[in-house]
Amino acid sequence: EADIYQTPRYLVIGTGKKITLECSQTMGHDKMYWYQQDPGMELHLIHYSYGVNSTEKGDLSSESTVSRIRTEHFPLTLESARPSHTSQYLCASSVVGEQYFGPGTRLTVT
Amino acid sequence: GNSVTQMEGPVTLSEEAFLTINCTYTATGYPSLFWYVQYPGEGLQLLLKATKADDKGSNKGFEATYRKETTSFHLEKGSVQVSDSAVYFCARLGRDGNEKLTFGTGTRLTIIP
Repeated sequence: EADIYQTPRYLVIGTGKKITLECSQTMGHDKMYWYQQDPGMELHLIHYSYGVNSTEKGDLSSESTVSRIRTEHFPLTLESARPSHTSQYLCASSVVGEQYFGPGTRLTVT
Repeated sequence: GNSVTQMEGPVTLSEEAFLTINCTYTATGYPSLFWYVQYPGEGLQLLLKATKADDKGSNKGFEATYRKETTSFHLEKGSVQVSDSAVYFCARLGRDGNEKLTFGTGTRLTIIP
């Protein structure tokens, strides 16, 4: 079954640690996205990719980085986590404008 | 630019009540329009969509009609259930080919028995 996966679902980590949030999709979509969702629910696009070796920054400035070495995989990395990075992170992929979302990673930085 | 204005919440209704959540968009071209739903602890799911003027999207008893004259895409349901409690997002697609969506701020809906 085609789907989009995110791991971990929940992560609590100390300040200064390096973390990678994983996102994989089995649908063969070229376009993928990372959103940050604040407690007020609003979604902010932080990164997107048109395909392999393509990455762009989104509308909200983020200290995170992304890579796209394989079509199905779009990981997000924080080199040094800070409490201000505490948030929900949602990954999505799209085809003909319809976006398919993963379940999200809830990150807490202490 | 592209923007979506969505009815602010939270909205609380009794079971079997009629639901309307308002959504308007900026009229830059004729964008495809979407409603997404987010249940607690989950990612967003596509609820329905419309790709051109006067199209009606429908799913799970929800409906929304693409109104070009009022630049609106209001979400409606005739009789809500407790299981409809969720956050609803209106979104529009840009026409620049990169498939980025512009989302509204979300409306939290709570249905009480």
